[in-house]
Amino acid sequence: NAGVTQTPKFQVLKTGQSMTLQCAQDMNHNSMYWYRQDPGMGLRLIYYSASEGTTDKGEVPNGYNVSRLNKREFSLRLESAAPSQTSVYFCASSDTDRGNQPQHFGDGTRLSIL
Amino acid sequence: AQSVTQLDSQVPVFEEAPVELRCNYSSSVSVYLFWYVQYPNQGLQLLLKYLSGSTLVKGINGFEAEFNKSQTSFHLRKPSVHISDTAEYFCAVTPRTDKLIFGTGTRLQVFP
Repeated sequence: NAGVTQTPKFQVLKTGQSMTLQCAQDMNHNSMYWYRQDPGMGLRLIYYSASEGTTDKGEVPNGYNVSRLNKREFSLRLESAAPSQTSVYFCASSDTDRGNQPQHFGDGTRLSIL
Repeated sequence: AQSVTQLDSQVPVFEEAPVELRCNYSSSVSVYLFWYVQYPNQGLQLLLKYLSGSTLVKGINGFEAEFNKSQTSFHLRKPSVHISDTAEYFCAVTPRTDKLIFGTGTRLQVFP
C-alpha cells in the first residue's frame, strides 16, 4: 500500500538552482495538491489539480510551477530557488473535489536552500 | 473566506490524563471539518471528520471531536492519553470544495 510517494525525501540547493519535486499516487484519485509546511504556519496550499490536465493556484504559488503529467503524477518545480523556499513540501491526493473525502499525504520532501 | 484558529500552539499533559485541543473556525458558508495528526518526520493522517449528522464524531486511536455550530468550534478530546499520542495535530476546514484550510497546529507532548 504505497499511497502517495514523494521523491526525494531530502534536498539541499544553492540559491538560483532549479529542482523538480516528484509525487505519485496509486489510489486512482482525481485531485492532487502541493503544500508547504513552515513552523507556526500550518500547511499552505501552493497549487492543486482537480483532474488530469488542469491546475490552479493556491495560497502561495509565487516562485513555483506544477505539471499534472497524468492521473498518477503531479510535480512541483522551483525554477530559481530562494532561501525563502526552504520548507517541508507535502503532496496529497483526494478522491473527490467536493471536500467530503480526506486528503492522503506523502511523507514530505525536506528542502533547504542556502 | 474561511479561517481556522488553533488557540494552543503547545499542550503538555501527563500520560493517562484527559486532553482537549481547541479549534475554532470562521466561515460564511457550510463547511466540512477535519482533524489530522502528524507524527515526527511523517505526513498527515486523518483522525476524524465531520460532514453532517451527529455532532459528536469518533475517530481513530480513541479521539473524538464535537461540532458546535453556534460557537463555530470543533474541539478534539481524548479521555486518557498515551505516550504514543505525542504528535502535532491540525484542524482543517473546507467550504465543501477541494480546498482545505489548515490551522497552525497544536503540538501535544505527553509526559510519563
